[in-house]
Amino acid sequence: GAVVSQHPSRVICKSGTSVKIECRSLDFQATTMFWYRQFPKKSLMLMATSNEGSKATYEQGVEKDKFLINHASLTLSTLTVTSAHPEDSSFYICSARAFSSYNEQFFGPGTRLTVL
Amino acid sequence: KNQVEQSPQSLIILEGKNCTLQCNYTVSPFSNLRWYKQDTGRGPVSLTIMTFSENTKSNGRYTATLDADTKQSSLHITASQLSDSASYICVVSSTAGTALIFGKGTTLSVSS
Repeated sequence: GAVVSQHPSRVICKSGTSVKIECRSLDFQATTMFWYRQFPKKSLMLMATSNEGSKATYEQGVEKDKFLINHASLTLSTLTVTSAHPEDSSFYICSARAFSSYNEQFFGPGTRLTVL
Repeated sequence: KNQVEQSPQSLIILEGKNCTLQCNYTVSPFSNLRWYKQDTGRGPVSLTIMTFSENTKSNGRYTATLDADTKQSSLHITASQLSDSASYICVVSSTAGTALIFGKGTTLSVSS
């Protein structure tokens, strides 16, 4: 099956620093990738939709200047949390959409961000 | 409003027993329905995906059903194992857009 990787799996940073999370589709090309955020015992919340070669589309309430998304190639999208604060601590999950009859999304393993 | 509701919120069963999780949705227009398993601290992993024309689909000990008329789906787990302990998420896709509508999940705990 299609595999999506994320790096790093865990990151701890100081308040005010920026953190970059990578999402890669390993064995397929994904023109569209999605970034989600998940709080403990809560459902995934879509943050933004990333299309290769164009600007990301952010969901209402998500600050585009705080969560910078770059989708420079068909296999890589990055999410940068700028000037991170403790309230940004969360589980960040990406997914990549493969072209199929279902347009199925394959999820990465997630990145646990802790901001001190 | 597009919504996906799952029940029960949590469930505890003994190893070896069967269980059924429920999903009701109000998403329209409907494209497909997916069941995912999410282990703690991991990303969701797809179990099954069904369009409106598919009534049932199996993946090993997991069997999903779909009734597009009543907008209900179920996930049946047979002969549960300790490794089945996870959150099971029902996700519905609409033809109206690319966004997925997530249920809040059912947390299953299998004990020995």
